[in-house]
Amino acid sequence: QVQLVQSGAEVKKPGASVKVSCKAFGYTFSNYGINWVRQAPGQGLEWMGWISVYNGDTYYAQNLQGRVIMTTDTSTNTAYMELRSLRSDDTAVYYCVRDGRASGSHPGYWFDPWGQGTLVTVSS
Amino acid sequence: SYVLTQPPSVSVAPGKTARITCGGNKIGSRNVHWYQQKPGQAPVLVVYYDSNRPSGIPERFSGSNSGNTATLTISRVEAGDEADYYCQVWDRGSDHNVFGTGTKVTVL
Repeated sequence: QVQLVQSGAEVKKPGASVKVSCKAFGYTFSNYGINWVRQAPGQGLEWMGWISVYNGDTYYAQNLQGRVIMTTDTSTNTAYMELRSLRSDDTAVYYCVRDGRASGSHPGYWFDPWGQGTLVTVSS
Repeated sequence: SYVLTQPPSVSVAPGKTARITCGGNKIGSRNVHWYQQKPGQAPVLVVYYDSNRPSGIPERFSGSNSGNTATLTISRVEAGDEADYYCQVWDRGSDHNVFGTGTKVTVL
């Protein structure tokens, strides 16, 4: 069964960093890209970026460039998303999502499946 | 950047048909995917590549895409279909994935 399991909720102060993990089960990890999507309370979905597990290439949302870093560890089938210089408006549920189609080289597919989500709260 | 516009809400009686639109410039030339999100849950894919259903998604869910509008149609609506629905495309111009603004479907 294909599944993504994320790390637990985090509470951070403004200016700090957070690193969310996403462990993959049930498929060949390096064959699919991983996306990160966030959702602020009561708001819609926002795509944050994509990483190729195959070669580490990344595409980041323009509004997060310089603050977000996506990485993977193929030895543990785990993807990571680190967000730096946190602000109160970074408070959101963060999801990792696998590409719906196997391709190591480029994003642009549908998202399936989704992780369960990780709530990150930024508050002083 | 590419913008996808959805109606904020759609209301439908049980057993009737709900149509959720996703508007974007020449969206018919793009691949559109749709997600259902129930309160407190992660989104779930319901349609990909405009009109394909993943395994486990009822045939009541269908999609179409032409011109400047993509549409998700839910036939014979059930109470369990009450959720938020989002469309999504890949924008080659900006190398970004883009989500629609979301539509809340209420079953009367």
